[in-house]
Amino acid sequence: ETGVTQSPTHLIKTRGQQVTLRCSSQSGHNTVSWYQQALGQGPQFIFQYYREEENGRGNFPPRFSGLQFPNYSSELNVNALELDDSALYLCASSPLLGAETQYFGPGTRLLVL
Amino acid sequence: GENVEQHPSTLSVQEGDSAVIKCTYSDSASNYFPWYKQELGKRPQLIIDIRSNVGEKKDQRIAVTLNKTAKHFSLHITETQPEDSAVYFCASRSSGGYNKLIFGAGTRLAVHP
Repeated sequence: ETGVTQSPTHLIKTRGQQVTLRCSSQSGHNTVSWYQQALGQGPQFIFQYYREEENGRGNFPPRFSGLQFPNYSSELNVNALELDDSALYLCASSPLLGAETQYFGPGTRLLVL
Repeated sequence: GENVEQHPSTLSVQEGDSAVIKCTYSDSASNYFPWYKQELGKRPQLIIDIRSNVGEKKDQRIAVTLNKTAKHFSLHITETQPEDSAVYFCASRSSGGYNKLIFGAGTRLAVHP
């Protein structure tokens, strides 16, 4: 079992609200990536953080933003929630920026009503 | 754009049979190809991966093959067991210089006793 943890496990929000999801990376891992997994689909890359800066982004609008803290934990913030934002949000950590292997957390399931 | 196609979407086999899942990627510069297993309600777990300088890799009942020329890679599971039942995702690592994984849509494998 990997050491990546996420909170909360489940969350229900209404359209237009804002949400913050949290991730603690595996010990010693300094790179965190966030993915969105809609029901029945593969995960889609949102962005990656390294040394507290975003260093790669997928095709997601600016209302998806993030933070990484000095202890390498991370947050994903989504503003102005839309129904289509309902999904499982996964974070994954890697030991180094260039390391290929990513270890996933259990995810946060977000439902937007 | 970057894309990974995965087939079949569902696969049903009898216990003890072999299962094969195939993926095709579009970015010829991709150099890392992991496979993840995701059981219902759980995190994706890395089961095997292969790098572009290797044509085949095996780990007990699981093997992965890579054909760089055709941009194909496949997962082979031999002597399937009921606990192999899950959704399997292939992925390719983007050549964009950061740890972006591009996932296929997944294959739901059912192994019947």
